[in-house]
Amino acid sequence: GAVVSQHPSRVICKSGTSVKIECRSLDFQATTMFWYRQFPKQSLMLMATSNEGSKATYEQGVEKDKFLINHASLTLSTLTVTSAHPEDSSFYICSARVAGVYNEQFFGPGTRLTVL
Amino acid sequence: AQSVTQLDSQVPVFEEAPVELRCNYSSSVSVYLFWYVQYPNQGLQLLLKYLSGSTLVKGINGFEAEFNKSQTSFHLRKPSVHISDTAEYFCAVSERNRDDKIIFGKGTRLHILP
Repeated sequence: GAVVSQHPSRVICKSGTSVKIECRSLDFQATTMFWYRQFPKQSLMLMATSNEGSKATYEQGVEKDKFLINHASLTLSTLTVTSAHPEDSSFYICSARVAGVYNEQFFGPGTRLTVL
Repeated sequence: AQSVTQLDSQVPVFEEAPVELRCNYSSSVSVYLFWYVQYPNQGLQLLLKYLSGSTLVKGINGFEAEFNKSQTSFHLRKPSVHISDTAEYFCAVSERNRDDKIIFGKGTRLHILP
């Protein structure tokens, strides 16, 4: 089946630093990838939609200059949290949609970000 | 815009008992419906999905769900739960022919009692 990986699985950083999270589709091409964040005991909130080769579309209230998304290839999207602060601590999950299949997304295992 | 309501934040149930997790949605257009399961500190795994056709959908791990258009519901059921079913369950909706965003409910924690 379609497998999506994320790296790193956990990261701890100091306030003010930037953190990059990778999302890869391992056995399929993903023209579209999605980035979600999940606070403890809460649901997933869509942050942005990333299409290969074009700029990401951000949801209302998500700062695009803070959460930089790059989707340079059909198998890789990256999320960079710039100048991270403790309030950015969260579980970040990506998903990928198979090219041409519009009714299912495959989710990565998530990245736990802790900003000290 | 579409929305999803999961009325129960937690559902305790004894092992081997049946369970139903409720989900209602709101949308002005036709939708796809999903149930996902999330085990602690993991990503989401698809349990089942409704796209079209039969309103009773069977998924993995013995779960099933029924799409009820008139009641705008998509409740998840299992006739006999196991300890291993302890997890967070998310109902989700995606509008057809749109930008395929998936909107999630707030989740229901299924707590299996021994």
